[in-house]
Amino acid sequence: DAMVIQNPRYQVTQFGKPVTLSCSQTLNHNVMYWYQQKSSQAPKLLFHYYDKDFNNEADTPDNFQSRRPNTSFCFLDIRSPGLGDAAMYLCATSTDLAGGKPDTQYFGPGTRLTVL
Amino acid sequence: EDQVTQSPEALRLQEGESSSLNCSYTVSGLRGLFWYRQDPGKGPEFLFTLYSAGEEKEKERLKATLTKKESFLHITAPKPEDSATYLCAVQARTGFQKLVFGTGTRLLVSP
Repeated sequence: DAMVIQNPRYQVTQFGKPVTLSCSQTLNHNVMYWYQQKSSQAPKLLFHYYDKDFNNEADTPDNFQSRRPNTSFCFLDIRSPGLGDAAMYLCATSTDLAGGKPDTQYFGPGTRLTVL
Repeated sequence: EDQVTQSPEALRLQEGESSSLNCSYTVSGLRGLFWYRQDPGKGPEFLFTLYSAGEEKEKERLKATLTKKESFLHITAPKPEDSATYLCAVQARTGFQKLVFGTGTRLLVSP
């Protein structure tokens, strides 16, 4: 089945120690997104890739970076994690439909990040 | 600014007790409204897309409806396995296809 895969599902890191989260997709979608979701809150968009073009949200801290080496893979790098970065990180994909039709995003299972 | 408000925040039902969840929205031209289900510790699972007032979609015990200002997710004769958080999100017609989410309704269905 076509899907969005995230690894690892659980990640524990130390305060200030860089960490990388991985996302892959078999849907062949051209748009990939990274969201941060804290407990009982709505998912918050960090950035997205439209093909190879990177688009950062205005309020995303510089501590968060992303790479997309090819269509299938996207990585989230947190350069110096703080205690406030502990959250669920969600990857999503979509395809840009012509004609102004709704563009459904499909989410992966998420990576739960713990910062000690 | 595009905004989504969901109510109630939490809902407890007995098995078989039908009810509705509400999603009120303001958006600068609606491209689409989405419903997702999210189980604890997992990513949101896509349920429905609606984009035209008057539109309805159904899946098993769930039916989603849309007006110009709000959407309802009707749950008919719920079962304990329907327990989850239900998220509503809107996508504007202008600009990039960003999703603006509500904070969700936590549904608990007791046997």
